[in-house]
Amino acid sequence: SAVISQKPSRDICQRGTSLTIQCQVDSQVTMMFWYRQQPGQSLTLIATANQGSEATYESGFVIDKFPISRPNLTFSTLTVSNMSPEDSSIYLCSVVPPGFYEQYFGPGTRLTVT
Amino acid sequence: QKEVEQNSGPLSVPEGAIASLNCTYSDRGSQSFFWYRQYSGKSPELIMSIYSNGDKEDGRFTAQLNKASQYVSLLIRDSQPSDSATYLCAGGYGNKLVFGAGTILRVKS
Repeated sequence: SAVISQKPSRDICQRGTSLTIQCQVDSQVTMMFWYRQQPGQSLTLIATANQGSEATYESGFVIDKFPISRPNLTFSTLTVSNMSPEDSSIYLCSVVPPGFYEQYFGPGTRLTVT
Repeated sequence: QKEVEQNSGPLSVPEGAIASLNCTYSDRGSQSFFWYRQYSGKSPELIMSIYSNGDKEDGRFTAQLNKASQYVSLLIRDSQPSDSATYLCAGGYGNKLVFGAGTILRVKS
């Protein structure tokens, strides 16, 4: 399928600060997706990141809070801005590799906001 | 509102038994369905995808789709303790996935 890496794997941050999460894929992909998994919950799609255009955000998520960059076909970043304890979650990127129809997930970034 | 419903469990089965995991969806617009396995502290791992009515088998796993009833299931034969995990059902809507809450499966040795 694809090898997907995320950095950092985990972090503990102070409220009011921002954290940028990186997602790197070993092949060129058209779309990358960012999800949030709150403690004990399932996955919720934050936004779809397309290269060369602005990200498309889902209801309840806004660009000011979760700015996304997609500078090329193998890389994307998600920033969690002005963090509060409610932002404590696992953040996951996923991709549809070339020749596939299914989404494959990166290892995730576990964020704790104190 | 696109919703995918799963019983949160836990579903407990003895080793060697068949585990049956079920999922229903609200929007007939979905044409694709996926089962992911998630171990505690890990990211979801794709185990099955199904796009048409009927059964699809892959090793010990069988996915079943009934579009008329808006029902998806996953059967795990000869369950092993290593199958103990949370199983997430997802419906595909265009390029997006809508996930159910997940079912916790516990296989007892």
